[in-house]
Amino acid sequence: AQRVTQPEKLLSVFKGAPVELKCNYSYSGSPELFWYVQYSRQRLQLLLRHISRESIKGFTADLNKGETSFHLKKPFAQEEDSAMYYCALSGNDDYKLSFGAGTTVTVRA
Amino acid sequence: NAGVMQNPRHLVRRRGQEARLRCSPMKGHSHVYWYRQLPEEGLKFMVYLQKENIIDESGMPKERFSAEFPKEGPSILRIQQVVRGDSAAYFCASSPRQGTETQYFGPGTRLLVL
Repeated sequence: AQRVTQPEKLLSVFKGAPVELKCNYSYSGSPELFWYVQYSRQRLQLLLRHISRESIKGFTADLNKGETSFHLKKPFAQEEDSAMYYCALSGNDDYKLSFGAGTTVTVRA
Repeated sequence: NAGVMQNPRHLVRRRGQEARLRCSPMKGHSHVYWYRQLPEEGLKFMVYLQKENIIDESGMPKERFSAEFPKEGPSILRIQQVVRGDSAAYFCASSPRQGTETQYFGPGTRLLVL
């Protein structure tokens, strides 16, 4: 079975401060990990995936297989980063995504 | 390209009624996925369809729920004899090929069962 856990439901940071969203997963094989974002009144959209190893909008995420984690980080949060963030996993069925419950991030001026 | 379209955006039904949720994939996409998000939870996979075929319905409840993706027209998720526990947000995603990295999500349908 595959499972994704996001322990923080809400996260509030000041503009310019670092932000880290935690994501832990359980899966017996080699998963593919993703971060999705949903801005206010917009659709769920892919932010980044671990395979691409790229930085999107200043965000990075490193897959740590030993700790089974895929935390999302940004060194300097901006107000436009306020959104709902979901960590997701896909396993051998490469079309099936499993999502965490999400973390609502609020960046205050 | 208007993106994945879902309608209605909000649907209210009384217990025992039927709910029909529609999803029009992006142009050129022949793969459709339905996910359900219960309150305070993440999205959960329900079913994966290609045109006229159900590929994987392992996440869909065995009773009362059905899905189709006909040759012409939108994909339909049908819930018969709705119960309060069916209240959730139902999201549809589409892709041009099988996979996760190319899934584009619709805005969702919020179903409320009274």
